[in-house]
Amino acid sequence: GAGVSQTPSNKVTEKGKYVELRCDPISGHTALYWYRQSLGQGPEFLIYFQGTGAADDSGLPNDRFFAVRPEGSVSTLKIQRTERGDSAVYLCASSPSPGTGGWETQYFGPGTRLLVL
Amino acid sequence: AQKVTQAQTEISVVEKEDVTLDCVYETRDTTYYLFWYKQPPSGELVFLIRRNSFDEQNEISGRYSWNFQKSTSSFNFTITASQVVDSAVYFCALTGNQGGKLIFGQGTELSVKP
Repeated sequence: GAGVSQTPSNKVTEKGKYVELRCDPISGHTALYWYRQSLGQGPEFLIYFQGTGAADDSGLPNDRFFAVRPEGSVSTLKIQRTERGDSAVYLCASSPSPGTGGWETQYFGPGTRLLVL
Repeated sequence: AQKVTQAQTEISVVEKEDVTLDCVYETRDTTYYLFWYKQPPSGELVFLIRRNSFDEQNEISGRYSWNFQKSTSSFNFTITASQVVDSAVYFCALTGNQGGKLIFGQGTELSVKP
């Protein structure tokens, strides 16, 4: 079946602009995660949704970052007033419902490479 | 707090050599899950294995094997008879008993030369 998809694959923007990154999880997966990966580093957690609600947003670095998942499927990560330090690969992952087989395993999308000039 | 340490930043081997990637973790949870992911040059993280804290049996899948030792808080990954296609960055990761966020190590970049 189809895996996690993310759009766009690349995004170049100017400092101060607003960007939206989209994630489409594996069909039927109720949990959705956003991570940020800087060059040479491991992914760092941003936010986790279970259904429509944010179960854990402790990784969001500041209030310029916001994410939504209004219908419990597609999610959008929104970054306001972008800064050069926001440049990174933004990864999305999804996992099955708690209690189902393999629910702990997160499956990742290809990422969106964001460059802020 | 949870933490994952992959002390080996880069490893270079010649094809057909065996190689072991080390992973040490810290957690106060009694139930937790450990993972290995592969990130090839294309960039997408590929799930390799999940292990829960109650199952210390070693696992083998083809040329891959994993050694989980709670006594030393380690979850090491061995590739037998390495191949050029194994060249990638490998990440070890940890999550607690409620699932949720993964804590990743810094990754080990494996280069397999022909």
